[in-house]
Amino acid sequence: QKEVEQNSGPLSVPEGAIASLNCTYSDRGSQSFFWYRQYSGKSPELIMFIYSNGDKEDGRFTAQLNKASQYVSLLIRDSQPSDSATYLCAGGFSGGYNKLIFGAGTRLAVHP
Amino acid sequence: NAGVTQTPKFQVLKTGQSMTLQCAQDMNHNSMYWYRQDPGMGLRLIYYSASEGTTDKGEVPNGYNVSRLNKREFSLRLESAAPSQTSVYFCASSEVQGANSPLHFGNGTRLTVT
Repeated sequence: QKEVEQNSGPLSVPEGAIASLNCTYSDRGSQSFFWYRQYSGKSPELIMFIYSNGDKEDGRFTAQLNKASQYVSLLIRDSQPSDSATYLCAGGFSGGYNKLIFGAGTRLAVHP
Repeated sequence: NAGVTQTPKFQVLKTGQSMTLQCAQDMNHNSMYWYRQDPGMGLRLIYYSASEGTTDKGEVPNGYNVSRLNKREFSLRLESAAPSQTSVYFCASSEVQGANSPLHFGNGTRLTVT
């Protein structure tokens, strides 16, 4: 059973701090990872995707992938109250059945 | 640009009733998907359509059927609704089918089965 695991949270950080969201996965054949943000009652929206080991930066967001350790993380710098949402990690796995496996999400709360 | 449009936004059904959830995308994407989202669980794939004319089962297909009407539209049908199908349903599309192609989601349908 291919799995993507996330801590459900809530992760509480003060405004202006760095929020670190983590995700682990079980299948070493994974190819790509996506981070989606979902506000309460809304649909998921793509923030970032990463395919290669290392870091990928986009504005205040940095995705980190470590395939040897099977984890992927999302760092949010200068966190704002508007970043308060649930963050879904999704992994794309190789072999036969091409689809994304979603984690249950981590709820982030940024307080002023 | 509307993206992915789902109807209805809310629906209440009695056990045993049937209904169809509609989804349309205007991004000329080849692949479309139906997911359900339940509290404490990740999004789970119900059915997907890699391209027009094809459909395949996902992780949780029991109790559902789908139709890829054309390249734009992909509907999900519940033939005999059960309380276990109470969930939020999301339609999504991607340019191609596969892990390297990001999903674009519709706004969701909140379904309650009593």
